[in-house]
Amino acid sequence: SQQGEEDPQALSIQEGENATMNCSYKTSINNLQWYRQNSGRGLVHLILIRSNEREKHSGRLRVTLDTSKKSSSLLITASRAADTASYFCATDRGGANNLFFGTGTRLTVIP
Amino acid sequence: KAGVTQTPRYLIKTRGQQVTLSCSPISGHRSVSWYQQTPGQGLQFLFEYFSETQRNKGNFPGRFSGRQFSNSRSEMNVSTLELGDSALYLCASSLVGGSLTDTQYFGPGTRLTVL
Repeated sequence: SQQGEEDPQALSIQEGENATMNCSYKTSINNLQWYRQNSGRGLVHLILIRSNEREKHSGRLRVTLDTSKKSSSLLITASRAADTASYFCATDRGGANNLFFGTGTRLTVIP
Repeated sequence: KAGVTQTPRYLIKTRGQQVTLSCSPISGHRSVSWYQQTPGQGLQFLFEYFSETQRNKGNFPGRFSGRQFSNSRSEMNVSTLELGDSALYLCASSLVGGSLTDTQYFGPGTRLTVL
């Protein structure tokens, strides 16, 4: 079963705009990760945030984590057409060895 | 360093047949996990292998099995294929697994179609 839900399910923006995707999960976690998947391909790891962290940055990516609300957000600034992909959050459900994925947000960046 | 490779990339089988998929992890990685991705169920964990032993298993029927070799390469097998087994099968490797601070690196996947 899936751990969480991404919101929105689909997002379409113009190049240069910022994109924000949200993820909610159900159980306690040690870590939360964000992955990107280009159409029908493998997943690319973007960023990991630990449960004791509230915010993390990597290039144009900014991730926040609110463990009290069991939610996380991924912000992509100054989006590019190449950012078009599906974005998934994944958690460890409090220490499991495997990832539990959300349902994904399909981002389309229009040139 | 080469990434995770999966073979074959595409596969078409008929109901009742069996299939074997292969995954070669990144050199030095000892943990290999398998995931199934379908439009209806999303990404779901199948199993994880470490040092030739299955260390963790998801909620899939016994028709799904796997193994890992001494060089960390892994195979998964699906017997008596059903239409619902049509999916993208993804393999991920990590150094030792056991903790998700240990990043998992995914391969490109094998697209299985069952007719």
